[in-house]
Amino acid sequence: EPEVTQTPSHQVTQMGQEVILRCVPISNHLYFYWYRQILGQKVEFLVSFYNNEISEKSEIFDDQFSVERPDGSNFTLKIRSTKLEDSAMYFCASSEVRGRYEQYFGPGTRLTVT
Amino acid sequence: AQKITQTQPGMFVQEKEAVTLDCTYDTSDPSYGLFWYKQPSSGEMIFLIYQGSYDQQNATEGRYSLNFQKARKSANLVISASQLGDSAMYFCAMREAVGQGGSEKLVFGKGTKLTVNP
Repeated sequence: EPEVTQTPSHQVTQMGQEVILRCVPISNHLYFYWYRQILGQKVEFLVSFYNNEISEKSEIFDDQFSVERPDGSNFTLKIRSTKLEDSAMYFCASSEVRGRYEQYFGPGTRLTVT
Repeated sequence: AQKITQTQPGMFVQEKEAVTLDCTYDTSDPSYGLFWYKQPSSGEMIFLIYQGSYDQQNATEGRYSLNFQKARKSANLVISASQLGDSAMYFCAMREAVGQGGSEKLVFGKGTKLTVNP
């Protein structure tokens, strides 16, 4: 069964450093998403991406964040200058065009900012 | 305003018994979808079941069923014959259309931690 993959599974970085979280969505999917979950809290929408551009972003997704689909298979989330409060689990998700009822989630990347 | 409300921070159930996890939602869109995801301690999000607003029947997937009461705006998850492996966080979510081109986002509730006792 096809699945969304994410790398790395865990990333530790120092405050102020740039991080790139990587995702490989399911190959025939066209809609891509990033969500984050601060430890013990609910999952929050960050950004949706379709047709090589952002279709929606939340208030969390400020200028420090960017997304890219550099090569037709990877989907990346970049945090330019990490802050302590960026520590969270980051989930990538994708959905297909038809019957896009289900967003398939990757296993997540746990980001720890020290 | 909170769009997905899960009022039970924690629930306990005996193995082999059934349990209902509550979820109420708020939307003015006539077309919407409701999801339940399971999050075990390992952290991944596992899709369990989906209910569309126009679906005539309550959704079922194996031991999972969704008690959908549209007029009350509730979409409770029923797990029958609980197993120890069902112990996890359970999140109710609603899809909302965003932007253009058919993108949607999921809005999650705060979750319910289910513990299945032997």
